[in-house]
Amino acid sequence: ETGVTQTPRHLVMGMTNKKSLKCEQHLGHNAMYWYKQSAKKPLELMFVYSLEERVENNSVPSRFSPECPNSSHLFLHLHTLQPEDSALYLCASSQEAGGEAGANVLTFGAGSRLTVL
Amino acid sequence: GEDVEQSLFLSVREGDSSVINCTYTDSSSTYLYWYKQEPGAGLQLLTYIFSNMDMKQDQRLTVLLNKKDKHLSLRIADTQTGDSAIYFCAESPNSGGYNKLIFGAGTRLAVHP
Repeated sequence: ETGVTQTPRHLVMGMTNKKSLKCEQHLGHNAMYWYKQSAKKPLELMFVYSLEERVENNSVPSRFSPECPNSSHLFLHLHTLQPEDSALYLCASSQEAGGEAGANVLTFGAGSRLTVL
Repeated sequence: GEDVEQSLFLSVREGDSSVINCTYTDSSSTYLYWYKQEPGAGLQLLTYIFSNMDMKQDQRLTVLLNKKDKHLSLRIADTQTGDSAIYFCAESPNSGGYNKLIFGAGTRLAVHP
């Protein structure tokens, strides 16, 4: 497989459930990202990992818990979510997170559509 | 501050040119980007421009950058129905030693016969 793959594509969960979103990239990139896309707000950056180290945590509620076990995999663990957390969650990767190497071109996955009941 | 503004909708006739406009706030952005999102898909990079350039052309796409006014535009020549999508402008402010992309709300382009 190539590119950025996200699973599951669709997820419906209750507010008391615990679930996880998975992202995998086969591009040899060193940085990975979680974005939230909802009808009410433009793309919101949630987390950034560079070489498996979290470098950005954008005031995201603790009910979202990221995990980056290696540079190819990124997870978003979900627990006790609220209905307003329903959104499309997009994963992306880039060669580097740093700004010195040139344009920071992100490659996005197709997203995981989350519905919280 | 970090903020990117775009108009939300644009409707054009097939074969005409489309111009999508964007304003950004962070003058430290070294690169500015245009991404495209088709239904049910993630974002796909269309093009980007280095901040010391004022124009970049790539086939049917022309990007114009007015750094003084912090204004970016994307022109699509000979617009086709397959160009119908949401187009996102993004700035890349340098914070904490790395670049993060800040996106606008997206402009939904509708192409009609």
